[in-house]
Amino acid sequence: EPEVTQTPSHQVTQMGQEVILRCVPISNHLYFYWYRQILGQKVEFLVSFYNNEISEKSEIFDDQFSVERPDGSNFTLKIRSTKLEDSAMYFCASGSTSLGEQFFGPGTRLTVL
Amino acid sequence: KQEVTQIPAALSVPEGENLVLNCSFTDSAIYNLQWFRQDPGKGLTSLLLIQSSQREQTSGRLNASLDKSSGRSTLYIAASQPGDSATYLCAVRHNQGGKLIFGQGTELSVKP
Repeated sequence: EPEVTQTPSHQVTQMGQEVILRCVPISNHLYFYWYRQILGQKVEFLVSFYNNEISEKSEIFDDQFSVERPDGSNFTLKIRSTKLEDSAMYFCASGSTSLGEQFFGPGTRLTVL
Repeated sequence: KQEVTQIPAALSVPEGENLVLNCSFTDSAIYNLQWFRQDPGKGLTSLLLIQSSQREQTSGRLNASLDKSSGRSTLYIAASQPGDSATYLCAVRHNQGGKLIFGQGTELSVKP
């Protein structure tokens, strides 16, 4: 069964460093998303991406964040200068239609020291 | 602003019991609602998607209902098993292609 994959599973970085989180969505999906979950809190939306552009972003998704689909399979989230409060589990999701199910990856646990 | 609330926050039941998890949302203008399961430290597994035009959706021992006008959804689990132990999340979507807004989850423990 097709699934969303994410790498790495755990990333530890120093405050101020850049990190890139990678996702491979399900192959025929067109809609892509990033969410995050700070420990003990709700899952929060960051950004949605369709047709090679951002379709919606939250107030969390400031200038420090960017997304890219560099080729036909990968979808990346970059954080330019990480802060302590960026420590969270980051989930990538994809969907085949605009109103269909969103399928989530296993997540990348980001720890900023 | 849409708020999604799940009650109870935690639930412990003996194996074999039928149970209901509740989800409420403040803005009834939703396109659909999705139920997920999350195991500790893991990703989200989609269980059911129920469109705003539907009243119910079933998958195996799971049945989700939706009452859009009252801003409520329930997830019914029949004949619970220890393997059902996990956190269950509901999430609503307002617009096409748009974000899911999540509740905080109900942590379910099914005791053998």
